[in-house]
Amino acid sequence: DAGVTQSPTHLIKTRGQQVTLRCSPKSGHDTVSWYQQALGQGPQFIFQYYEEEERQRGNFPDRFSGHQFPNYSSELNVNALLLGDSALYLCASSFQGQGNTIYFGEGSWLTVV
Amino acid sequence: GQQLNQSPQSMFIQEGEDVSMNCTSSSIFNTWLWYKQDPGEGPVLLIALYKAGELTSNGRLTAQFGITRKDSFLNISASIPSDVGIYFCAGRSGSARQLTFGSGTQLTVLP
Repeated sequence: DAGVTQSPTHLIKTRGQQVTLRCSPKSGHDTVSWYQQALGQGPQFIFQYYEEEERQRGNFPDRFSGHQFPNYSSELNVNALLLGDSALYLCASSFQGQGNTIYFGEGSWLTVV
Repeated sequence: GQQLNQSPQSMFIQEGEDVSMNCTSSSIFNTWLWYKQDPGEGPVLLIALYKAGELTSNGRLTAQFGITRKDSFLNISASIPSDVGIYFCAGRSGSARQLTFGSGTQLTVLP
């Protein structure tokens, strides 16, 4: 049973560039959430996707956008990268009918230089 | 917005000792989750709590959902070196989709 998988694991981008991060949810899960975790802090909610639509959004600018595909996988896009966007980006998956149990992937480390 | 206060921020304990950490919230939660995160990795779910007063164990770990629904604690008994890591509490309230995380407890186990 595959857990939550994310790619890439590490990447370095230049300020002003754009980045796309990918996530495949745990088998049987249909809901994907994205979190940003800065060094030394707890994860912060970015947004959640269900049935290919954004259902809820945290306090992040619209430079952060996402997408969910029919197979439930998801992408996180960040445009016009800032140095402050450097963080671990975590994907979390759950099943709508059991939404309280949420599993995280290993994360994608983004460094903006 | 919602805030979770997690304490202590860090703990240094001897191998074999018991550990206790807790989280308090300014608002009511209907779910409490406890995660462990190792350096460079994603959080791993340890225990999930769904009902006020619920006490749940997972091996040497025990967690409780506070009766007021505004707090939770995690106990680790007979600590071992592999318990080292950062422990996060996370809560979800009402119809909210997202988890709100505490700031983490860094646990160090000394041999």
